[in-house]
Amino acid sequence: EVQLVESGGGLVQPGRSLRLSCAASGFTFDDYAMHWVRQAPGKGLEWVSGISWNSATIDYADSVKGRFTISRDNAKKSLYLKMNSLRVEDSALYFCAKDTGRLPYYMDVWGKGTMVTVSS
Amino acid sequence: QSALTQPASVSGSPGQSITISCTGTSSDVGSYNLVSWYQQHPGKVPKLMIYEGRKRPSGVSNRFSGSKSGNTASLTISGLQAEDEADYYCCSYAGNILYVFGTGTKVTVL
Repeated sequence: EVQLVESGGGLVQPGRSLRLSCAASGFTFDDYAMHWVRQAPGKGLEWVSGISWNSATIDYADSVKGRFTISRDNAKKSLYLKMNSLRVEDSALYFCAKDTGRLPYYMDVWGKGTMVTVSS
Repeated sequence: QSALTQPASVSGSPGQSITISCTGTSSDVGSYNLVSWYQQHPGKVPKLMIYEGRKRPSGVSNRFSGSKSGNTASLTISGLQAEDEADYYCCSYAGNILYVFGTGTKVTVL
């Protein structure tokens, strides 16, 4: 069974850092691009960042560019999101999502998410 | 990177058909045949309903169909059922490895 399990969320003060992880199983991880998508409470979905299968292509939403860093470790079948200089508006449920190819086509499998709350 | 524009809400009676629009720009929806649609019930993970504009994943009812014209994509739900009541989001590839989501539409079955 294809599965994505996020971890690393929690309560953090504004300006601090947090690192999210996503453990993949049930598929050949290094064959697929991966993404982070977030959803603030009661709000819509927002694509945050994506990374190609070999980490050669990376992009970010304007709202997190310069503060967040996406990375992956294909040997560990894991995806990461390092979040620096966190803001209250970064509070959201963060989903890890699998793409359907080495480059982007669409996201077909999602994890259940890990909650990040930024508050003093 | 502006969100794609969707109506905030659409409603219909059981058995009716409804259509949700998703308007983007020539940099996203208009440039690629890579629009996907997701259904999200409260407290649940988004579920892929349509990909590449009009294709349905295995297991998704053929009551769901997608189309695109210019910078606007659409999702049509035919034979509306109570279980279709949910939030729906369009999503378009926008170049490099970037996606943009729609603002979301709440579907209500009257």
